[in-house]
Amino acid sequence: GENVEQHPSTLSVQEGDSAVIKCTYSDSASNYFPWYKQELGKGPQLIIDIRSNVGEKKDQRIAVTLNKTAKHFSLHITETQPEDSAVYFCAANSQRKLIFGQGTELSVKP
Amino acid sequence: DAGVIQSPRHEVTEMGQEVTLRCKPISGHDYLFWYRQTMMRGLELLIYFNNNVPIDDSGMPEDRFSAKMPNASFSTLKIQPSEPRDSAVYFCASSLMAGSSGNTIYFGEGSWLTVV
Repeated sequence: GENVEQHPSTLSVQEGDSAVIKCTYSDSASNYFPWYKQELGKGPQLIIDIRSNVGEKKDQRIAVTLNKTAKHFSLHITETQPEDSAVYFCAANSQRKLIFGQGTELSVKP
Repeated sequence: DAGVIQSPRHEVTEMGQEVTLRCKPISGHDYLFWYRQTMMRGLELLIYFNNNVPIDDSGMPEDRFSAKMPNASFSTLKIQPSEPRDSAVYFCASSLMAGSSGNTIYFGEGSWLTVV
């Protein structure tokens, strides 16, 4: 079955710096890659997604890139702010399910 | 819309007791999912329903777990008997169409279960 690996597990940056989280997947049939943000005590919330027919997508300070050949995709957050502190999950679709990575705990220090 | 509503938010129970978690999906959503989140295993899909019919329950850990969806606006996840290793956050989620096809999955705020 699909395996989604996510790195790093924890990431600490200074406010204003950029943060990058990387994921790899194993199912070559995967064609949908969402990213979720989970704040403390809450459920995950979709922040951005990308489909396999594009290589990059941007929404304000957040961007995702996809390399289908290498089977990896990344989340880029620029000009980080303290409110970006949360756990971020990548996911990939496989056999009609969404398989999640293990999560990255991002801490933005003021 | 109020979003996906789960109850209880927190539950502490003794080993061996029955636990019932409840979920109200977003109105009009055809898909309902139950996930479990732990530090060790991350976010795991337990089961999902389409139009109230269970489609894939391969993630349900064992026979102690069961899930039902008697109508489009209500689902339950039951654990009987509960064990300490069942301690986790259980999320219910829903989507308009198949989440794996690119439709947003909306999560509830979770039910935090502790079995002592």
